[in-house]
Amino acid sequence: EDQVTQSPEALRLQEGESSSLNCSYTVSGLRGLFWYRQDPGKGPEFLFTLYSAGEEKEKERLKATLTKKESFLHITAPKPEDSATYLCAVCSGNTPLVFGKGTRLSVIA
Amino acid sequence: GAGVSQSPSNKVTEKGKDVELRCDPISGHTALYWYRQSLGQGLEFLIYFQGNSAPDKSGLPSDRFSAERTGGSVSTLTIQRTQQEDSAVYLCASSLAGRQGETQYFGPGTRLLVL
Repeated sequence: EDQVTQSPEALRLQEGESSSLNCSYTVSGLRGLFWYRQDPGKGPEFLFTLYSAGEEKEKERLKATLTKKESFLHITAPKPEDSATYLCAVCSGNTPLVFGKGTRLSVIA
Repeated sequence: GAGVSQSPSNKVTEKGKDVELRCDPISGHTALYWYRQSLGQGLEFLIYFQGNSAPDKSGLPSDRFSAERTGGSVSTLTIQRTQQEDSAVYLCASSLAGRQGETQYFGPGTRLLVL
């Protein structure tokens, strides 16, 4: 059974304090790993898709990386507007995604 | 362009009543998915439609839950005889062709509260 574990559950950062969120996964055959951002009361917003170990993608202050067992979402010099819940999900051949429970990020000015 | 839309945004109902939730996918997307997000839980897959193929209903939690998709576009998720444990956010997503590893784009969700 595919499993996704995200850590930490919650993270509080000062503005400008860089950090990383972790997504560990076990799947029978990875077809894609997805990162989404979810703001309170809204649906998940797509950020990145990673397909193979060693792949990296960047968008503004965010950078996602992938190994054979985990993915990291690196946040460089975060701003208060980066506060949200970050969700990781995997696809292993069945098209429905399997999600982790998310990391709640708070960035304090 | 327009994203995935869902209605209603919020729904409050009494235990035992039936509810219908609607999803309008991104134009041109042939795959449509329903997920449920309960407090403190991750998103849970419910049902998946791809073109004219039979839907994948493997995630539906009970026979009180059903969904249909008319004309390959709009979908309705129906919950019969609602229970308090059905209270959750119901999210709809769509993707272009339903291929493995394809990005799914989510709507804003319907927040269901069963009293």
